[in-house]
Amino acid sequence: NAGVIQTPRHKVTGKGQEATLWCEPISGHSAVFWYRQTIVQGLEFLTYFRNQAPIDDSGMPKERFSAQMPNQSHSTLKIQSTQPQDSAVYLCASSYSWDSSYEQYFGPGTRLTVL
Amino acid sequence: GEQVEQRPPHLSVREGDSAVITCTYTDPNSYYFFWYKQEPGASLQLLMKVFSSTEINEGQGFTVLLNKKDKRLSLNLTAAHPGDSAAYFCAVRDNNAGAKLTFGGGTRLTVRP
Repeated sequence: NAGVIQTPRHKVTGKGQEATLWCEPISGHSAVFWYRQTIVQGLEFLTYFRNQAPIDDSGMPKERFSAQMPNQSHSTLKIQSTQPQDSAVYLCASSYSWDSSYEQYFGPGTRLTVL
Repeated sequence: GEQVEQRPPHLSVREGDSAVITCTYTDPNSYYFFWYKQEPGASLQLLMKVFSSTEINEGQGFTVLLNKKDKRLSLNLTAAHPGDSAAYFCAVRDNNAGAKLTFGGGTRLTVRP
């Protein structure tokens, strides 16, 4: 089992450019979560998919951020017109079930740097 | 919403000493509790999950105590060694299916030889 895979591991964009981050959950896992980690804000929930359907996006900034899960093997987080404050490590996690008792397993993260 | 306070933010101990990290939370509906370890440059590694009202769980070199009455969760690394040096995060989750994790602010532990 390769664990949760995230690509790229590092991404540098210029202010105003678009960034797309990819996540491949653990095979057989039905829930996918996205989190953001910064020194100042710590670990923050962004959004969550259950069986590819978006369930909770309460943590997503209303503008510029969007997430999709077109099939069970990958999810994407897209940031349009990136800003320096978007610089963070973006973490994807997957869980075998959406039941709250199940653990979330995290990928290595994508470090996004916006210049 | 749920708020999780984790203390201390930084902790330095000598090898062989114990290290205690504590989290307090606000939402009485929080039901599942997790501890994660994050080594420099690495992702979050699950250490343990607890969910009973008062529970002591023992893992490899550590003990987790949950007290729901006081809304307090603690991680005690017994006989810490340099390999324990990392950031530790508590996380809580309520019983709603698929609920997000709410994390504490983290504790950066340094174990000195």
